[in-house]
Amino acid sequence: DSGVTQTPKHLITATGQRVTLRCSPRSGDLSVYWYQQSLDQGLQFLIQYYNGEERAKGNILERFSAQQFPDLHSELNLSSLELGDSALYFCASSPEGDSSYNEQFFGPGTRLTVL
Amino acid sequence: QQPVQSPQAVILREGEDAVINCSSSKALYSVHWYRQKHGEAPVFLMILLKGGEQKGHEKISASFNEKKQQSSLYLTASQLSYSGTYFCGISNSNSGYALNFGKGTSLLVTP
Repeated sequence: DSGVTQTPKHLITATGQRVTLRCSPRSGDLSVYWYQQSLDQGLQFLIQYYNGEERAKGNILERFSAQQFPDLHSELNLSSLELGDSALYFCASSPEGDSSYNEQFFGPGTRLTVL
Repeated sequence: QQPVQSPQAVILREGEDAVINCSSSKALYSVHWYRQKHGEAPVFLMILLKGGEQKGHEKISASFNEKKQQSSLYLTASQLSYSGTYFCGISNSNSGYALNFGKGTSLLVTP
């Protein structure tokens, strides 16, 4: 158990819908990262927040957005869902903002299925 | 840019050795290695930094070749528990930009 929690574990929805994925980092960690994992693409970095502020952005679609709240939990919002958005979404946390030197602790993931 | 991992997959018998490579098209600042078992979250193995610093699990061995822009993970005397998918994540800068992960190398250790 990494100490990172994600809810829900599974999510099944229809195309065009909007969903929210939630992540609570390990106690004391200030950085939260979101990743998308599909079969053929491996781990794709989406976005990082550090202490409430956006720190780095990856290949995140405009239909996706995220935020980190004062209690440091984070939410990833996915809207106008398409079949191709079906994937496993991981959240990870680390103590500091510099991802080049800090190990990341991954949550169990949320499996999103878009029908 | 996404690093390239090789091989894509490898099957070993218990006790055999394997090497997994991770190559970057740009100069490397740090390389991170993670292992993911089926249906589970990735788990941290090791970080290697430009300049030779390393941190991670003592039983894991890896190298960082700055000139070749490449890192290699060495799995010796493999055990059944080593099975999983190994990902390398690279940082090309020390300014804290996020990691780019490779597509992974699937390792299966058989009895």
